[in-house]
Amino acid sequence: KNEVEQSPQNLTAQEGEFITINCSYSVGISALHWLQQHPGGGIVSLFMLSSGKKKHGRLIATINIQEKHSSLHITASHPRDSAVYICAVSLNDMRFGAGTRLTVKP
Amino acid sequence: NAGVMQNPRHLVRRRGQEARLRCSPMKGHSHVYWYRQLPEEGLKFMVYLQKENIIDESGMPKERFSAEFPKEGPSILRIQQVVRGDSAAYFCASSPQGAYRTDTQYFGPGTRLTVL
Repeated sequence: KNEVEQSPQNLTAQEGEFITINCSYSVGISALHWLQQHPGGGIVSLFMLSSGKKKHGRLIATINIQEKHSSLHITASHPRDSAVYICAVSLNDMRFGAGTRLTVKP
Repeated sequence: NAGVMQNPRHLVRRRGQEARLRCSPMKGHSHVYWYRQLPEEGLKFMVYLQKENIIDESGMPKERFSAEFPKEGPSILRIQQVVRGDSAAYFCASSPQGAYRTDTQYFGPGTRLTVL
């Protein structure tokens, strides 16, 4: 069993829909990261959080330390949000989930 | 402020050759991390370096792989005697001074290594 599990693996949505991607982990962590990998391969760090909730534009990330669970939400999704979203946890190194491939159709 | 730079972006090598991948961190960042993404697989941590020091190389294969981050110049990931299984995207990330565990990391565009 992977230490970082993401669901779903693949997600297709219509433009404008509210999207949720989930991440569960089984190890102790100092921080949890959400990354976005574009179709061209580049990686952008979206959030780093160790408690509570963070918001940036249409993106919201939450974490529940007791339940070892985090969610990434995208409001009013747009085709340009299509990418692979990766959850990662850090303590002494970084452990990555397998990613969620999101496709937003116009 | 330029982002993390990696070069080359694409590298083709024949089996047995050496591959050198370079990473220039963001200005002011003294922490560098290397990750590998095998085809159809997730990212895997390889090594964490500070200037002139390897902090954690627990993710590095025991043979043929080495990394350095000299006082001057970019960080180098070196793969000797490459094999087809080394074909992957290699990403570098950097972070400003501070605890590795809680720093936001800024990723480079990656180097795609193809071994023929």
